[in-house]
Amino acid sequence: DSGVTQTPKHLITATGQRVTLRCSPRSGDLSVYWYQQSLDQGLQFLIQYYNGEERAKGNILERFSAQQFPDLHSELNLSSLELGDSALYFCASSVGDPDTEAFFGQGTRLTVV
Amino acid sequence: AQTVTQSQPEMSVQEAETVTLSCTYDTSESNYYLFWYKQPPSRQMILVIRQEAYKQQNATENRFSVNFQKAAKSFSLKISDSQLGDTAMYFCAFMMVTSGTYKYIFGTGTRLKVLA
Repeated sequence: DSGVTQTPKHLITATGQRVTLRCSPRSGDLSVYWYQQSLDQGLQFLIQYYNGEERAKGNILERFSAQQFPDLHSELNLSSLELGDSALYFCASSVGDPDTEAFFGQGTRLTVV
Repeated sequence: AQTVTQSQPEMSVQEAETVTLSCTYDTSESNYYLFWYKQPPSRQMILVIRQEAYKQQNATENRFSVNFQKAAKSFSLKISDSQLGDTAMYFCAFMMVTSGTYKYIFGTGTRLKVLA
């Protein structure tokens, strides 16, 4: 158990819909990262927040957005969903920014039908 | 742009044998970190080993060791005395720090199967 909690574990939704994925970091961790893992793209870094502020952005689509709340949990919002958005979405956390070690949650499997 | 390449999509090894997973990367940065992550069937990502680019000595963690060739931009993972529990997806990752922020770049993974 890494200490990073992601909910829900599984999500099935229709194209065009909007979903919100939630991540609770390890206690004491200020940084939260989101990753997307799909079969054809491998594991892609999406975005990082540190203590409520956006710190780094990777290959995140404009249809996707995220935020980190004062209690340090984070939400990843995916809108206008497409079939290609079906993937495993990982959240990770680390103590500082920057830091060299990130602990991953178990992921949310999103299926868009 | 930085890239990480894992050229072996799948590998298998007999239990108790040694296996090496390859990883190459491309960067113009001089200060960076390299990692191997393991993703077992549970889908969680587990840090296996990490290497700081400024260190010449290869990192070792129990049965796991790396062969870090900075000039060749190669970072292979050797697993000795393979165990059934080593069956997993292995991701090589590169991390750099730039302008006070950092980002990870992951390879596409190598699926390792340890055979009994």
